[in-house]
Amino acid sequence: DAGVIQSPRHEVTEMGQEVTLRCKPISGHDYLFWYRQTMMRGLELLIYFNNNVPIDDSGMPEDRFSAKMPNASFSTLKIQPSEPRDSAVYFCASSFWGRGYSNQPQHFGDGTRLSIL
Amino acid sequence: LAKTTQPISMDSYEGQEVNITCSHNNIATNDYITWYQQFPSQGPRFIIQGYKTKVTNEVASLFIPADRKSSTLSLPRVSLSDTAVYYCLVGGRSGNTPLVFGKGTRLSVIA
Repeated sequence: DAGVIQSPRHEVTEMGQEVTLRCKPISGHDYLFWYRQTMMRGLELLIYFNNNVPIDDSGMPEDRFSAKMPNASFSTLKIQPSEPRDSAVYFCASSFWGRGYSNQPQHFGDGTRLSIL
Repeated sequence: LAKTTQPISMDSYEGQEVNITCSHNNIATNDYITWYQQFPSQGPRFIIQGYKTKVTNEVASLFIPADRKSSTLSLPRVSLSDTAVYYCLVGGRSGNTPLVFGKGTRLSVIA
C-alpha cells in the first residue's frame, strides 16, 4: 500500500520566492497534519485538517504560511514570501479515526527538506 | 498535554535488549502513551501504544506501571538498523489529535 507521499523531497530556493509543498495522504484517511522539524525546535504541528476542513492552524508561524486541502487526496502548504528561517523539514501525516478497532495512528511521509537561501 | 522526559541518548551493542524509560508525571486519566521511531531523512513511524500494564507487538514491548507516571519501551535484540531517535508521547490515541514531540532519545547500536 502506498504511504503518505510528499513532493518535492528537496527544495532549494532564494528568499522572497513562493514555495509550495504537496502531500497526498493515504487513501481513506480523514485526518491530515502538517508538521515542521528543525534542530532548534524539534517537531512541531503547523496545522491539521479533518475531512478537508482546517481544525487548528494555531501552529502556523505567520501570515506568510497558508495551507489548503481542496479534496481528500491532496493538500498543499504554501510559503509566500519565503525567508531563510523557514528552512526546515516539513512533514505531512495522515490518519483514520474510525470507531474502536479501526482507529489508526498517524502515518508520516518522508518529508520535504526546504532550504531558503 | 503531559510533559515527557527521556534520556537524550543511549548506546547499545547489537543483540542486546534495550530499554528506554520515559517519565510523564502529569499524565491525565484519558492519556495514552505512544512511541514513535524516526530514522534519518524519514518521517516518524508509529511503534507501539498503550494505556496500562504491558503491550507487545512484533517490534517492541511497552511496560506501564500502575501509577502510569512512567513507561518503558523495550526493544529485544537490537540490530544496527534500530539506530534511530525514539520519541515518547503522551496524549490522545494519536489518530485525531496533534502529536506533541519532545526531543526524543537517540539510540546508537554498535556492532
